Amino acid sequence: RKEVEQDPGPFNVPEGATVAFNCTYSNSASQSFFWYRQDCRKEPKLLMSVYSSGNEDGRFTAQLNRASQYISLLIRDSKLSDSATYLCVVTPGGYNKLIFGAGTRLAVHP
Amino acid sequence: EPEVTQTPSHQVTQMGQEVILRCVPISNHLYFYWYRQILGQKVEFLVSFYNNEISEKSEIFDDQFSVERPDGSNFTLKIRSTKLEDSAMYFCASSGERQVDYEQYFGPGTRLTVT
Repeated sequence: RKEVEQDPGPFNVPEGATVAFNCTYSNSASQSFFWYRQDCRKEPKLLMSVYSSGNEDGRFTAQLNRASQYISLLIRDSKLSDSATYLCVVTPGGYNKLIFGAGTRLAVHP
Repeated sequence: EPEVTQTPSHQVTQMGQEVILRCVPISNHLYFYWYRQILGQKVEFLVSFYNNEISEKSEIFDDQFSVERPDGSNFTLKIRSTKLEDSAMYFCASSGERQVDYEQYFGPGTRLTVT
């Protein structure tokens, strides 16, 4: 089983749509969780950390379910500029290396 | 806003040659990392570095790889004898002062092409 699994995509959505990405992780001892976005041939950029209580940053909402080992990201009112690959990232228990999922590609069209 | 910088942006080298990739982490960060991403694949952890020593390394990080912090600002990755399969984007990252501060910030990467 892969350490971090994501919907492969691509998700093609119109501007203004709401889109949700899911992610599961295999190590129940994982301690920290993040969503990064990556534009083509660019570096991963931290979008948001994910907390147990769930957290929101503008149009973005992240949820964590430790019991199910499941992380989600919701994007409301999609913009053209949201087009990117969204990477689900976890850190294994006690260590701070990042374990990346393969990413889900999002394409927002007019 | 502070950022991680990397040089060069693109390096072309012949198989068997040594390359050094350079990074300047965010100035008040204490944890430094190298990752790589082969074209079309996911980002993979190579090595983490803290207090002037390697704190963890992956299976990829074999004897051909080494890291160094030669001064107070630079953090380097050396590949002694490059192979074709070393062709990838190499990203440097750094994270904050507290051990529990896991948010890592990435540099723009060095694209390494081995011919």
